[in-house]
Amino acid sequence: LAKTTQPISMDSYEGQEVNITCSHNNIATNDYITWYQQFPSQGPRFIIQGYKTKVTNEVASLFIPADRKSSTLSLPRVSLSDTAVYYCLVAPNQAGTALIFGKGTTLSVSS
Amino acid sequence: ETGVTQSPTHLIKTRGQQVTLRCSSQSGHNTVSWYQQALGQGPQFIFQYYREEENGRGNFPPRFSGLQFPNYSSELNVNALELDDSALYLCASSALAGPQETQYFGPGTRLLVL
Repeated sequence: LAKTTQPISMDSYEGQEVNITCSHNNIATNDYITWYQQFPSQGPRFIIQGYKTKVTNEVASLFIPADRKSSTLSLPRVSLSDTAVYYCLVAPNQAGTALIFGKGTTLSVSS
Repeated sequence: ETGVTQSPTHLIKTRGQQVTLRCSSQSGHNTVSWYQQALGQGPQFIFQYYREEENGRGNFPPRFSGLQFPNYSSELNVNALELDDSALYLCASSALAGPQETQYFGPGTRLLVL
């Protein structure tokens, strides 16, 4: 399974755009890249998923370069409520394979 | 449509005891996965159930066992509890057995082993 590396923590201010980059050098051809968000004492929540190029939804954008060895989660105009841990996951297209969570990136948003 | 629910929310046990945690999957989902999350760590995969059969297992000892019922709800059983079993136990449901589709997590059960 591909291993991911992301910053342990990031700080930002309200209204700024936040970009969290994840490295996954050993990503396989059939791997998808998924980002989850987790607040304290809650289960992780799906944010966005992609395979290549750019994906955008109402919450975030996901940028994946052509070599797919990294990806960047972009959160536009963050607010205090975006303070959470963000996990980057890479998983193959195979039933029963576990979602492998690292330690994630703790994002702290200040006013 | 109801989301994933878990019970109990909190639990205190002593070392050597047994515990059963319960999970009701989101309506329409037939796959349930269980994760253990220690403080300050990401969730660690325990196992997954698809249509009442175990469909994958992480690096956890056999004293961690599970069941899935015909209504797709699930139980996680842990025997001979150890202090290191203290953690947040998360249940996640999805519509298909496979990792690339989204998994919807419940709020978790906080287990403390004394």
